[in-house]
Amino acid sequence: DAKTTQPTSMDCAEGRAANLPCNHSTISGNEYVYWYRQIHSQGPQYIIHGLKNNETNEMASLIITEDRKSSTLILPHATLRDTAVYYCIVANQAGTALIFGKGTTLSVSS
Amino acid sequence: KAGVTQTPRYLIKTRGQQVTLSCSPISGHRSVSWYQQTPGQGLQFLFEYFSETQRNKGNFPGRFSGRQFSNSRSEMNVSTLELGDSALYLCASSNSDMGQVFFGPGTRLTVT
Repeated sequence: DAKTTQPTSMDCAEGRAANLPCNHSTISGNEYVYWYRQIHSQGPQYIIHGLKNNETNEMASLIITEDRKSSTLILPHATLRDTAVYYCIVANQAGTALIFGKGTTLSVSS
Repeated sequence: KAGVTQTPRYLIKTRGQQVTLSCSPISGHRSVSWYQQTPGQGLQFLFEYFSETQRNKGNFPGRFSGRQFSNSRSEMNVSTLELGDSALYLCASSNSDMGQVFFGPGTRLTVT
């Protein structure tokens, strides 16, 4: 079973920041938090991952709480193309053998 | 670099038949994993191969099997197909220490 809990859906206005929360209260010390997204009928796309420090790349920022029991994915300026299902996953360092939950359906509207 | 490729992209089979799906990973990637996606169960992990050895396995019946070749290409086989096996089958490859996997476009299998 997935070790994460995410809201089923969220809405965001185009150009605004999208903040997607994830709870992972049973995460182990050596497990990472990964975020992927899936645009309808395509293969999932990697976004970002982290262990305990906040991470940022060209796509998004990942904020992990100090106790590592929750995290937030931030898309700083959401566009219509960011409409997708976003999955928060807890996995080992290699990031293979991913156990997906239901994810959050993010709808970005103009 | 070319991405992960999967063949065929679409497939229709009849109950009781068997099917083989193929995946070519990104050049240099040694880990290949397979996933099944259905509307009811979502994305489920099938198995992962690394250097021709199965390294991780999900909770699927023995009808689902796979293998990896020395060039890292992988195949998965489903025997005695059931209607419930209709799904999008996704392959993903990884350079194992990268912490991210790259997914292919998937093979959509329909069992009638």
